[in-house]
Amino acid sequence: AQSVTQLDSHVSVSEGTPVLLRCNYSSSYSPSLFWYVQHPNKGLQLLLKYTSAATLVKGINGFEAEFKKSETSFHLTKPSAHMSDAAEYFCVVSKVSPKYSGGGADGLTFGKGTHLIIQP
Amino acid sequence: GAGVSQSPSNKVTEKGKDVELRCDPISGHTALYWYRQSLGQGLEFLIYFQGNSAPDKSGLPSDRFSAERTGGSVSTLTIQRTQQEDSAVYLCASSPGLAGSYEQYFGPGTRLTVT
Repeated sequence: AQSVTQLDSHVSVSEGTPVLLRCNYSSSYSPSLFWYVQHPNKGLQLLLKYTSAATLVKGINGFEAEFKKSETSFHLTKPSAHMSDAAEYFCVVSKVSPKYSGGGADGLTFGKGTHLIIQP
Repeated sequence: GAGVSQSPSNKVTEKGKDVELRCDPISGHTALYWYRQSLGQGLEFLIYFQGNSAPDKSGLPSDRFSAERTGGSVSTLTIQRTQQEDSAVYLCASSPGLAGSYEQYFGPGTRLTVT
């Protein structure tokens, strides 16, 4: 079974300062990991994904995340926060099912989310 | 191209009534997923389709919930005899279903309110 722990339910930073959203995971299989963002009253948008290629993954809007197997972590960072970054962020692990060689993971496990607040 | 669409966007129903929620995945995506997002429960996986078959129904909370997918495309989530605890946003996602391509693309959701 897989699980995801987002270590902070809320993070508040000033505009222009770095952002760090922490995520730890556990998985019985080689994990695929994702970060999704959800703006108020909007759908979930994929920020970035890790699927066993490069351990440092770059996503949209200047975000990036580093996969560290030894620490079972996949923290999300951004060098300089913007007001438009205020949203809910979800760390997600996908179980790569051995049952279906055609691909298509059988479900995502979401963390409980981190609410990012940007102070002017 | 067009993303995942869901209808209706909002649904208010009385306790005990049945509801049907619809999902149109991205064209060509063979994998389709239903999730439920509610306050205090976060986002939970309900069911997964690969083509028209549902290899994983483990997340369906009770036998009042069912889903089907026809033609490898549109999916319908049905909730029978709705209860107040069914109130939530129901999200649909689709994925190419190809090895190495596990990211999912989400629709805007259907907000269900059971009164």
